[in-house]
Amino acid sequence: GAVVSQHPSRVICKSGTSVKIECRSLDFQATTMFWYRQFPKQSLMLMATSNEGSKATYEQGVEKDKFLINHASLTLSTLTVTSAHPEDSSFYICSARVPPTGPSTIYFGEGSWLTVV
Amino acid sequence: AQKVTQAQTEISVVEKEDVTLDCVYETRDTTYYLFWYKQPPSGELVFLIRRNSFDEQNEISGRYSWNFQKSTSSFNFTITASQVVDSAVYFCALISNFGNEKLTFGTGTRLTIIP
Repeated sequence: GAVVSQHPSRVICKSGTSVKIECRSLDFQATTMFWYRQFPKQSLMLMATSNEGSKATYEQGVEKDKFLINHASLTLSTLTVTSAHPEDSSFYICSARVPPTGPSTIYFGEGSWLTVV
Repeated sequence: AQKVTQAQTEISVVEKEDVTLDCVYETRDTTYYLFWYKQPPSGELVFLIRRNSFDEQNEISGRYSWNFQKSTSSFNFTITASQVVDSAVYFCALISNFGNEKLTFGTGTRLTIIP
């Protein structure tokens, strides 16, 4: 079964509105989660590292004010796409390391398809 | 810096044929981890395998097998007796600084199994 859960799986929003995507770790605490973006038929690009209790670390070229990341608890990280535009339409997916310490495996959520109309 | 190359963009094989997906990586670190993920049309990334740099043993899991060759910096993935359900995009990925936890992905190989 899934160890990392993402919601919603699909969302359509109007241009100019904001949309929130949730990433939850199931049955374990994730001090660090990662957010990726994937354009059609392309690879996954890391957007940011979400750190529980502190600010996210963004990759070069990712707009911090547009993609707000909040990691308020050890089991939940959220990505909010603010003032969304059609070019933000993409597949967003999060990941977490399981278990949080030691040699481990990285699992991904189910992903979220965002369509901005 | 680290890099993962999947030179095969798309592969099509007839069902029941064997198919090998290539993965070549670059890293300066001596300690690193390699991963393979499967991404079906629904989008989720399914974990297939993790291999650390100190373990060059090949691994077999059912119809799946992996060949790790440090000498050529390759971590190839073979599916034997392919099935239609194997159709997906397959990604090879690397972490070379485990404390960093950042996965570097290859560009993926789209595998189509023809019935």
